[in-house]
Amino acid sequence: GDSVTQMEGPVTLSEEAFLTINCTYTATGYPSLFWYVQYPGEGLQLLLKATKADDKGSNKGFEATYRKETTSFHLEKGSVQVSDSAVYFCALAGANSKLTFGKGITLSVRP
Amino acid sequence: NAGVMQNPRHLVRRRGQEARLRCSPMKGHSHVYWYRQLPEEGLKFMVYLQKENIIDESGMPKERFSAEFPKEGPSILRIQQVVRGDSAAYFCASSRTEGRSNSPLHFGNGTRLTVT
Repeated sequence: GDSVTQMEGPVTLSEEAFLTINCTYTATGYPSLFWYVQYPGEGLQLLLKATKADDKGSNKGFEATYRKETTSFHLEKGSVQVSDSAVYFCALAGANSKLTFGKGITLSVRP
Repeated sequence: NAGVMQNPRHLVRRRGQEARLRCSPMKGHSHVYWYRQLPEEGLKFMVYLQKENIIDESGMPKERFSAEFPKEGPSILRIQQVVRGDSAAYFCASSRTEGRSNSPLHFGNGTRLTVT
């Protein structure tokens, strides 16, 4: 079945540091890929998405590229801010459109 | 334009009681999904509903759990005879059409169920 694997966390960075969060997936066919962010006490918000190979999703300085050859969708940001502290989930939409999520990773950014 | 509304935000039940979780989708959305988030884990799909129909319940436990999305009113996730292992955050999401790339899911803020 479909699955998403995220790197182990938590991750703690200083403000303005470079961020990479790894995500790989297993799926049949050609899924759409997503990154969601969850701030404390809130639900998940869509951060960015990519629907086909080599697509790059971007939003709020975050980027991720759909790599079919490595089945990856790593999230990157060049300079993180304290306000980026949250839990980040990688997900895919496969058959029947239901989302399959990774376990999530907690990012803490210190001033 | 209100987002996905879930209530209550926090729910405490004793073992053996019933828990009813409500979800009102965004205006114009007719597709509802329920997910469960256990501590230190990601979100696990439970059930996908359209108005008056259960489309996919492959993630629902076979016993004690049920879901509905009536023609009028919110979607309800019902857990009968709750046990401590049911303690989790339950998230509802909605979409305008089938939730793929052109109609992403919008999530509510969740209901945090604690079973004592």
